[in-house]
Amino acid sequence: AQKVTQAQTEISVVEKEDVTLDCVYETRDTTYYLFWYKQPPSGELVFLIRRNSFDEQNEISGRYSWNFQKSTSSFNFTITASQVVDSAVYFCALEPSGNTPLVFGKGTRLSVIA
Amino acid sequence: GAVVSQHPSWVICKSGTSVKIECRSLDFQATTMFWYRQFPKQSLMLMATSNEGSKATYEQGVEKDKFLINHASLTLSTLTVTSAHPEDSSFYICSARDLDGGEQFFGPGTRLTVL
Repeated sequence: AQKVTQAQTEISVVEKEDVTLDCVYETRDTTYYLFWYKQPPSGELVFLIRRNSFDEQNEISGRYSWNFQKSTSSFNFTITASQVVDSAVYFCALEPSGNTPLVFGKGTRLSVIA
Repeated sequence: GAVVSQHPSWVICKSGTSVKIECRSLDFQATTMFWYRQFPKQSLMLMATSNEGSKATYEQGVEKDKFLINHASLTLSTLTVTSAHPEDSSFYICSARDLDGGEQFFGPGTRLTVL
């Protein structure tokens, strides 16, 4: 079975704090992709990252960084020096191999307070 | 980058009417498109898989006669909500899989409100 678990339903931080959003996935496929999306109040999904299962290198993009660990089936997302504009719902998703749709976690609502 | 559009972006209709939502891949071809539904404060749930030139595959619990899907070309899939009721009010999002690269790209979503 394919499953994505985002245990944190809501997180609230003060501006400039660092925050990590957790994501744990389950799949029996050896080839798969992992994603993070941001969904602001407007609703449109904003693509953040796509990671192949064979690439375990951590990735950094500005204030964003991702830690992929196959040993623990986790793909965590860290925002450094958070800003109010980071307030949104963040979804972690899994795309199993083949022509399959994405499996989404339940999302984590992040509120950054000024 | 690849762009997927949805039309309309929002729609309000009366109960009992039908609403058609279009999903277009603007700069790539997509043999497969997926339709998701998102209720307030919930995650995206897959409704159906739309394949060009063939019948759509619906997820368990999704009524195929109520949510009609047509994927008539490599760039267009439509979702028609027939005889809409207030409980169908939701945010509908499509994604299209690039025929060449295999990546999926999401549309901006359509917010449906049924009065």
